[in-house]
Amino acid sequence: EAGVVQSPRYKIIEKKQPVAFWCNPISGHNTLYWYRQNLGQGPELLIRYENEEAVDDSQLPKDRFSAERLKGVDSTLKIQPAELGDSAVYLCASSSLSWGLGGDTQYFGPGTRLTVL
Amino acid sequence: AQSVTQLDSQVPVFEEAPVELRCNYSSSVSVYLFWYVQYPNQGLQLLLKYLSGSTLVESINGFEAEFNKSQTSFHLRKPSVHISDTAEYFCAVSDLNSGYALNFGKGTSLLVTP
Repeated sequence: EAGVVQSPRYKIIEKKQPVAFWCNPISGHNTLYWYRQNLGQGPELLIRYENEEAVDDSQLPKDRFSAERLKGVDSTLKIQPAELGDSAVYLCASSSLSWGLGGDTQYFGPGTRLTVL
Repeated sequence: AQSVTQLDSQVPVFEEAPVELRCNYSSSVSVYLFWYVQYPNQGLQLLLKYLSGSTLVESINGFEAEFNKSQTSFHLRKPSVHISDTAEYFCAVSDLNSGYALNFGKGTSLLVTP
């Protein structure tokens, strides 16, 4: 079974430029998460999708970040414009249980390491 | 509010020695507890989790963790570590109040040397 796929693995951009990350979850997983992991820290949730609906986006900086999951499968996270402080690893995860049931195992992709210069 | 504290940022240990990685949490309601491991240049992988029932949970590669409700802890242990256990270990907690979103600690870097 293929795992969570993310691309690109690495991205270097200059500040004020836009950037996009792509995630394809494990087949059949209806819940998808985007996390940001700063250096030396644990991952922090940005947004969670149940199928195509964003059920928790309270931690997403909406002035510059946006996300979509149009057909309830793969997802794109965008930053426009990027700032120096956005340098981090962006992780995508998926799970098979519905949000709110608790205890589900989240399967993580390898992440995209973003460097903003 | 819920929080997770991993008390050690780095734990150096010799091969075949025992190790304990400490994790404490705070929550006003019942919790689910997880340990994830992150090997260099890889994504996080679930090591083990506590949902209910027996307070001692085990992983397939020899790690175990014990849920201690009175001490609000979920420490990870292994009686004999291998070089290949070198990785970053993250404790995480979820509860109803957070919509069961995972709240991670800052991680503990385990370095196993010969």
